Amino acid sequence: GQNIDQPTEMTATEGAIVQINCTYQTSGFNGLFWYQQHAGEAPTFLSYNVLDGLEEKGRFSSFLSRSKGYSYLLLKELQMKDSASYLCAVRDLNAGKSTFGDGTTLTVKP
Amino acid sequence: EAGVAQSPRYKIIEKRQSVAFWCNPISGHATLYWYQQILGQGPKLLIQFQNNGVVDDSQLPKDRFSAERLKGVDSTLKIQPAKLEDSAVYLCASSLNSGGDRVYGYTFGSGTRLTVV
Repeated sequence: GQNIDQPTEMTATEGAIVQINCTYQTSGFNGLFWYQQHAGEAPTFLSYNVLDGLEEKGRFSSFLSRSKGYSYLLLKELQMKDSASYLCAVRDLNAGKSTFGDGTTLTVKP
Repeated sequence: EAGVAQSPRYKIIEKRQSVAFWCNPISGHATLYWYQQILGQGPKLLIQFQNNGVVDDSQLPKDRFSAERLKGVDSTLKIQPAKLEDSAVYLCASSLNSGGDRVYGYTFGSGTRLTVV
């Protein structure tokens, strides 16, 4: 099974940088996804990490440490439209099934 | 390319009634998933299909939920009879490969918001 932990809520200021953490315990790890979900909408894919290290995609970066069961999503130059829920999902070795955390609701304030 | 299509968008039913949801994945995507997302929680996998075969249905409440993907393309999810706790958004997702991939992950449909009263 898998256990995924994320902070419930975070608040940050427009233009700032925010780091959203995700810790997990899993019996068979095969990658970690980050998704963004605006209220009332479907999740949209942000990033995927399977090896240790930092992956950068524009204003968003994602980091993974497999030995520590830890990942974070880094959002730079925050914009109001970044207010959303950020979901961490761990993919396991069994047919690639992914288990989602409950998400971190980020509020960006002017 | 067209996204994942789901219908209906919203549904309100009384407890003990039945309901069905439909999903048409992205063309060529072999893997299809149904997720249940209760307000304030992350999506929970109900069932995963690879073509028309079931890969994982360990969290599907089989006494009341059923799903099929007969021709390996579109899929239906049914609840019969519905309970109050089934109120949630039902998300369908698809991916080219089992478990998604590093470029696109899963692609989700807009979901069906079910309210059971």
